[in-house]
Amino acid sequence: TQLLEQSPQFLSIQEGENLTVYCNSSSVFSSLQWYRQEPGEGPVLLVTVVTGGEVKKLKRLTFQFGDARKDSSLHITAAQPGDTGLYLCAVTFLGTSGSRLTFGEGTQLTVNP
Amino acid sequence: DTAVSQTPKYLVTQMGNDKSIKCEQNLGHDTMYWYKQDSKKFLKIMFSYNNKELIINETVPNRFSPKSPDKAHLNLHINSLELGDSAVYFCASSQVVGRGDTQYFGPGTRLTVL
Repeated sequence: TQLLEQSPQFLSIQEGENLTVYCNSSSVFSSLQWYRQEPGEGPVLLVTVVTGGEVKKLKRLTFQFGDARKDSSLHITAAQPGDTGLYLCAVTFLGTSGSRLTFGEGTQLTVNP
Repeated sequence: DTAVSQTPKYLVTQMGNDKSIKCEQNLGHDTMYWYKQDSKKFLKIMFSYNNKELIINETVPNRFSPKSPDKAHLNLHINSLELGDSAVYFCASSQVVGRGDTQYFGPGTRLTVL
């Protein structure tokens, strides 16, 4: 069982459409991050959310952290081909001497022109 | 300027060989990581080093041995390569300040074992 479940796994849409991807867990987290990975590159951080109910906007991207801090959503308005990529949610577990990042399975988004 | 760099970008080798992947970060971070991304794009942590000391070691076969000569470098040596080792390996670094640290990833090394 994955700690973080993302849905959908694959999403193919036309340019201009809106979409939402989800990241769910049965555990409560102190913070949650969204990364985007483009082909042939490493993941790049988009946003970190730390407060239950928090909403953050990054241009056409809107991120929400659930009230209970167990889930998050990423909404893209008027998607563009440049939004194509693998979207990963991730959570941090704090140990005694460092942090470790655990990723969800990812949502592969394709935006067709 | 590349923040986290890895070499080589591609590595094709035969089963049973030994190979190394190198990673360098110029961000001044204290912590570096190795991740493995499988064919289904699932990204999983393998190791983490903080100030040259190993702090996270997941259930990785002991054929994998990380080495950190200094804070800016974390190399990964793999002995007796197996078919199942084929994957993309990512190095990352961060400055651990608490929850929600930003991790900066390298471009990845695609390892293919034949």
